Amino acid sequence: DGGITQSPKYLFRKEGQNVTLSCEQNLNHDAMYWYRQDPGQGLRLIYYSQIVNDFQKGDIAEGYSVSREKKESFPLTVTSAQKNPTAFYLCASRRGGIDTGELFFGEGSRLTVL
Amino acid sequence: ELKVEQNPLFLSMQEGKNYTIYCNYSTTSDRLYWYRQDPGKSLESLFVLLSNGAVKQEGRLMASLDTKARLSTLHITAAVHDLSATYFCAFSGTYKYIFGTGTRLKVLA
Repeated sequence: DGGITQSPKYLFRKEGQNVTLSCEQNLNHDAMYWYRQDPGQGLRLIYYSQIVNDFQKGDIAEGYSVSREKKESFPLTVTSAQKNPTAFYLCASRRGGIDTGELFFGEGSRLTVL
Repeated sequence: ELKVEQNPLFLSMQEGKNYTIYCNYSTTSDRLYWYRQDPGKSLESLFVLLSNGAVKQEGRLMASLDTKARLSTLHITAAVHDLSATYFCAFSGTYKYIFGTGTRLKVLA
């Protein structure tokens, strides 16, 4: 089955540690996105990538980094510079080109800083 | 500034009643999306509206788009408990997708 796989589902981190959240898709989609969701809030864009080896900052990129070395993969690193990283992180992808533009989401990763 | 406003933010309604959720967005866009999120879960796509006047229906939910008014609506007909969730609208602008803050719907038996 085609889809988006995020791992881990739950992650606990000590203050000062970097952590990397994995996002893999087998939908052959060109574009990939990372969003952050805080309790009771909407989604805020962290980074997005339209093609391999290219990515752009979203609205809240500070304290985060990404890479896009393969079409299928778009990992997000939450660095120690992110002051309030506890949140639900959602990865999404879109086919690209002339299409409906519909975003498909992974199941999410919940990060808690201890 | 790219912005989406949804109202109401919270909605508690009796089973069998009708209601409408409103989504206003700040810039010209021909594409509007509705998603559903259950507690602790990811987002599930409900509707994709691609042009002015588009109307789509699935079960008790119907979505419409008026691009001139920059307004989309999600109408709920004869609500049932299973519709309890948070509903988000989003529009796309230059590769970015801007989401509303969501409408938390609770349907009471």
